[in-house]
Amino acid sequence: NAGVTQTPKFQVLKTGQSMTLQCAQDMNHEYMSWYRQDPGMGLRLIHYSVGAGITDQGEVPNGYNVSRSTTEDFPLRLLSAAPSQTSVYFCASSYDLPEGNTIYFGEGSWLTVV
Amino acid sequence: AQSVAQPEDQVNVAEGNPLTVKCTYSVSGNPYLFWYVQYPNRGLQFLLKYITGDNLVKGSYGFEAEFNKSQTSFHLKKPSALVSDSALYFCAVRDGTGGFKTIFGAGTRLFVKA
Repeated sequence: NAGVTQTPKFQVLKTGQSMTLQCAQDMNHEYMSWYRQDPGMGLRLIHYSVGAGITDQGEVPNGYNVSRSTTEDFPLRLLSAAPSQTSVYFCASSYDLPEGNTIYFGEGSWLTVV
Repeated sequence: AQSVAQPEDQVNVAEGNPLTVKCTYSVSGNPYLFWYVQYPNRGLQFLLKYITGDNLVKGSYGFEAEFNKSQTSFHLKKPSALVSDSALYFCAVRDGTGGFKTIFGAGTRLFVKA
């Protein structure tokens, strides 16, 4: 099982450049989300989606865009990269079960903005 | 709004001793509570969850957690620590009112010394 697949694993950007972090899941999960992980800050929710065509902002959405055209894919776009966006990014997905959802994470994307 | 607090940045314990990693939360409605573990350069892995029922929840690798509604806490415990338990542990909460957002704490690094 592939689970949650993120690409690229490592990326270096120059300030002002744009890029897209790709995320795909093969578990038919309704819920997908993007988190960033920074030292001492834990995981902070950037954007999330409860299904195709539906997205919403998390705790730290500024500087990022998302779309959900299919159930499987949930790309994260950095429009104009800034050094403050240097972080590790995790894509995640889950079912919405009555008994609560277990989140499945990708392996992470290490982004450096210089 | 949901929030999670992990008051300890780091917990040190000797191998064979019991360990506790603390977590308190704030959420509307009945909470869904989770613990995840992260090993170096990897994504997060699910350990256990509390949805309803027995306040003592058992999970993977011998871990358990105790839900205390009056203290709004969900502490992670293990009777006998192993060196291999050394990792970063995250508490997370999702509100039980039908929302999808899952918020994570800042994480607690556990060091188990041989």
